[in-house]
Amino acid sequence: DAGITQSPRHKVTETGTPVTLRCHQTENHRYMYWYRQDPGHGLRLIHYSYGVKDTDKGEVSDGYSVSRSKTEDFLLTLESATSSQTSVYFCAISDFRGNTEAFFGQGTRLTVV
Amino acid sequence: DQQVKQNSPSLSVQEGRISILNCDYTNSMFDYFLWYKKYPAEGPTFLISISSIKDKNEDGRFTVFLNKSAKHLSLHIVPSQPGDSAVYFCAATFQGAQKLVFGQGTRLTINP
Repeated sequence: DAGITQSPRHKVTETGTPVTLRCHQTENHRYMYWYRQDPGHGLRLIHYSYGVKDTDKGEVSDGYSVSRSKTEDFLLTLESATSSQTSVYFCAISDFRGNTEAFFGQGTRLTVV
Repeated sequence: DQQVKQNSPSLSVQEGRISILNCDYTNSMFDYFLWYKKYPAEGPTFLISISSIKDKNEDGRFTVFLNKSAKHLSLHIVPSQPGDSAVYFCAATFQGAQKLVFGQGTRLTINP
């Protein structure tokens, strides 16, 4: 299994509070991604990183920010959580050299009440 | 704008029979396609892929077919086994894209 660790695995938070999810990899892959999974929508890309301090938006980036200060860590922050951000969040990593698959973490279930 | 579509949210198949999962795409730039399998409370895991230079790729019980003119791909599982019960995601990308675009997923249930 690819070395990807997401923390926390579960979190319940109140509307309006900030939340940070962490993704840690031990594979030294260049690319890291944050996806959210929702019924009927599949996996949607929130933000991704193509190197330290290099990030870009995905299709559902509103309300989220990210940071990557080290190759191995990619943080996803909800500045002020809303109920619509209740979801399962997955981190993924890839070398993406040519046609390489992405490897996923086990996910973080976030509930905003 | 859903570039990758899996129009069947669920599929139920009898054990031992063939399971066929379908996926359509709209972006003509896509040239590499992947299938992922996801069990509850786990992350998606890579299953099989196909490049646009091929129209078929096999790996054991799993075969992916690509029809570029129709912008359609399918995953065949033969024979289906109870352990194949999971959600299957289709994904697509192209050279230089740096990311995968996923479909909505199809929940496959294999009945004994």
